[in-house]
Amino acid sequence: SAVISQKPSRDICQRGTSLTIQCQVDSQVTMMFWYRQQPGQSLTLIATANQGSEATYESGFVIDKFPISRPNLTFSTLTVSNMSPEDSSIYLCSVALAGGWDEQFFGPGTRLTVL
Amino acid sequence: AQKVTQAQTEISVVEKEDVTLDCVYETRDTTYYLFWYKQPPSGELVFLIRRNSFDEQNEISGRYSWNFQKSTSSFNFTITASQVVDSAVYFCALSEKGNEKLTFGTGTRLTIIP
Repeated sequence: SAVISQKPSRDICQRGTSLTIQCQVDSQVTMMFWYRQQPGQSLTLIATANQGSEATYESGFVIDKFPISRPNLTFSTLTVSNMSPEDSSIYLCSVALAGGWDEQFFGPGTRLTVL
Repeated sequence: AQKVTQAQTEISVVEKEDVTLDCVYETRDTTYYLFWYKQPPSGELVFLIRRNSFDEQNEISGRYSWNFQKSTSSFNFTITASQVVDSAVYFCALSEKGNEKLTFGTGTRLTIIP
């Protein structure tokens, strides 16, 4: 199993600012994922973050808006840039211990409100 | 493309009743995994079960049971003798071989009435 922590747990931000969310795992993992859950909605994958390579973004998400860093095998950050109220969501990171053929473990999420 | 459908948006049952949450999936792959997650009001996602496409045996874990039927592309989840603590949003998800990302259904909000 894996224990995942995220910082901050929640934040209230002003329109036009940026927020960086941190994800820390207690073991080395190859693949980390960032998901967004808009209010009352399901989870949507933003990007896959592999250590040592550029993140792979899903359709509808771009690097300029959601830059991701993956400096080592236990840590990743997601930045939500130039925020608008539409970015108000829960942002979750997850890890797959065995390339997806194991359950994905999710962090507790970061609840973001943009005013 | 993979897709997961949870047609039940919200379900309410009285405590101790049994309840079944439906999940229908679409995939072109013959090798895939299906998942169920629970999201209580606190927001974290709790892993409940993973089932691979080659294992159609039903599974029971305490009050929880899962019925996987490839013939109907369904992976339904039943809670027996429901309890108030079961109140949460439940998500069904799918991942295909070689594509580790999870595709989630829209979720079913389950409310257990005391």
